[in-house]
Amino acid sequence: RKEVEQDPGPFNVPEGATVAFNCTYSNSASQSFFWYRQDCRKEPKLLMSVYSSGNEDGRFTAQLNRASQYISLLIRDSKLSDSATYLCVVSTGRRALTFGSGTRLQVQP
Amino acid sequence: EAGVVQSPRYKIIEKKQPVAFWCNPISGHNTLYWYLQNLGQGPELLIRYENEEAVDDSQLPKDRFSAERLKGVDSTLKIQPAELGDSAVYLCASSLAVAGTGELFFGEGSRLTVL
Repeated sequence: RKEVEQDPGPFNVPEGATVAFNCTYSNSASQSFFWYRQDCRKEPKLLMSVYSSGNEDGRFTAQLNRASQYISLLIRDSKLSDSATYLCVVSTGRRALTFGSGTRLQVQP
Repeated sequence: EAGVVQSPRYKIIEKKQPVAFWCNPISGHNTLYWYLQNLGQGPELLIRYENEEAVDDSQLPKDRFSAERLKGVDSTLKIQPAELGDSAVYLCASSLAVAGTGELFFGEGSRLTVL
């Protein structure tokens, strides 16, 4: 079983739609959680951290459910520029980040 | 401020040939990572350095892969000999502190094609 699992998609949504991605992780000792964004043929970049209480950054909302070991990302009012692959990332203490395989989002006009 | 710099951006070699990738992290970043990314997959850690010390190389295939960060700044990743399955993007990343902050800054990657 992979440490971090994501639905690969693609999620094809129209502009303005709300879309949500989930991610599950297997290591209950995981302590830090993040979403990274990766555009086609580009490097990954940090989108946002995920906190236990949930957090929001503009149109993006991240939630963590430690009991069920899953993380979610909600994007409201999708823009064409949101089209990318979203990587769920988990860290266990001092170990390096473990990346999921990513969920591809395609926002259509 | 310059980001993480990698070279070469692209490399095409025949199998059994050697190849080397170079990375210069963001100035002041003590921790340096080499990740491998296959098409449609997320980055997978190969090795992590804190300063010049390799603190996590458990995923590095040591029979053919080697890495060094001699002065705790730039780093080189070598493959010798390359195999067809090594075709991938090799990403270098750096961070100020150990992994937990999540603030990894990646270079543009070195795309390797092994024929």
